[in-house]
Amino acid sequence: EPEVTQTPSHQVTQMGQEVILRCVPISNHLYFYWYRQILGQKVEFLVSFYNNEISEKSEIFDDQFSVERPDGSNFTLKIRSTKLEDSAMYFCASKLQFFSYEQYFGPGTRLTVT
Amino acid sequence: TQLLEQSPQFLSIQEGENLTVYCNSSSVFSSLQWYRQEPGEGPVLLVTVVTGGEVKKLKRLTFQFGDARKDSSLHITAAQPGDTGLYLCAGEKNQGGKLIFGQGTELSVKP
Repeated sequence: EPEVTQTPSHQVTQMGQEVILRCVPISNHLYFYWYRQILGQKVEFLVSFYNNEISEKSEIFDDQFSVERPDGSNFTLKIRSTKLEDSAMYFCASKLQFFSYEQYFGPGTRLTVT
Repeated sequence: TQLLEQSPQFLSIQEGENLTVYCNSSSVFSSLQWYRQEPGEGPVLLVTVVTGGEVKKLKRLTFQFGDARKDSSLHITAAQPGDTGLYLCAGEKNQGGKLIFGQGTELSVKP
């Protein structure tokens, strides 16, 4: 069964460093999302992406964040200058098409900023 | 702010008991999804409900979407230790849009 994959599973970085989190969505899906979950808190929406453009972004998704689909399979989230409060699980999700309801999540990347 | 409130937040029961988890909002959602999340892993989709009043069954799990599409419930019959986990509801306000998550219900089923 097709699934969303994410790498790395765990990333440790120092404050101020840039990180890139990678995702491979399900192959024929067209809509892509990033969410994050700070330990003990709700899963929060960051950004949605369709047709090589950001469709919607949350207040969390400020100028330090960017997303890219560099090729036909990968979907990346870049944090330019990490802060301690960026420590969280980051989940990528994908959806087949606009009229689909189901979003399928990857296993997540645990980002630890020291 | 659109909120989804889940209750209870924690539930500890004995094997064989029945339970219901509730997901409530003052907002109308175009769809509502239920996920299960294991520690350190991503949410795994269980079911999606779309139509007001819709009921879906997945073995011992019964999901219902409220008539007004503002609330949902998950009922588990004869719970088993394998049902232990974090159950999340998530609503989509506009088709194609983001999911808004509840805070989750941590279920523990003791043998």
